Amino acid sequence: GQNIDQPTEMTATEGAIVQINCTYQTSGFNGLFWYQQHAGEAPTFLSYNVLDGLEEKGRFSSFLSRSKGYSYLLLKELQMKDSASYLCAVRSGGSYIPTFGRGTSLIVHP
Amino acid sequence: SAVISQKPSRDICQRGTSLTIQCQVDSQVTMMFWYRQQPGQSLTLIATANQGSEATYESGFVIDKFPISRPNLTFSTLTVSNMSPEDSSIYLCSVASQGGALETQYFGPGTRLLVL
Repeated sequence: GQNIDQPTEMTATEGAIVQINCTYQTSGFNGLFWYQQHAGEAPTFLSYNVLDGLEEKGRFSSFLSRSKGYSYLLLKELQMKDSASYLCAVRSGGSYIPTFGRGTSLIVHP
Repeated sequence: SAVISQKPSRDICQRGTSLTIQCQVDSQVTMMFWYRQQPGQSLTLIATANQGSEATYESGFVIDKFPISRPNLTFSTLTVSNMSPEDSSIYLCSVASQGGALETQYFGPGTRLLVL
């Protein structure tokens, strides 16, 4: 099985930077995803990492260290609309389907 | 990206009844999945809907309780049978296409189910 751990809730100020961490324990790692889910809406794809390093996409960046079983999602220049749940999901073994963490609820305040 | 619609968007049902949720995609996709998301929880995979054959269920989910159909590459249904209040949840259809790195999984808007 897989253990995926991320903080339950974080708060940050508009305009600031926030880093949401995700740690995982799995065998046969085969990719890590980040999804954003606004309240009452479907998750939307943010990023995918399969190799170590930082992937930057606009205000959002995702980092992966496979040896440490660790990833983070970095959100810059926070906006109020970034208030949402951020889900870390890990794919492993021969399965295409990732396992989702419980999500981190991010609250951005003025 | 794929555009996914689900019907109904929400429903309130009585204990012991059944509800069928439909998922329609605007393009042919290789893989379709059904997830459940209970309040405050993450996404739990119920099953993979296979075209023309029986769905593949995850541990803890059985066909009698959650029968699934997938008659073609753009449509699937999930039935929640003999419902109890514990089935109150959001049910999400998800799709992915085989090809390249198979990186992205898209989700439908979800069906919010309340069982009384």
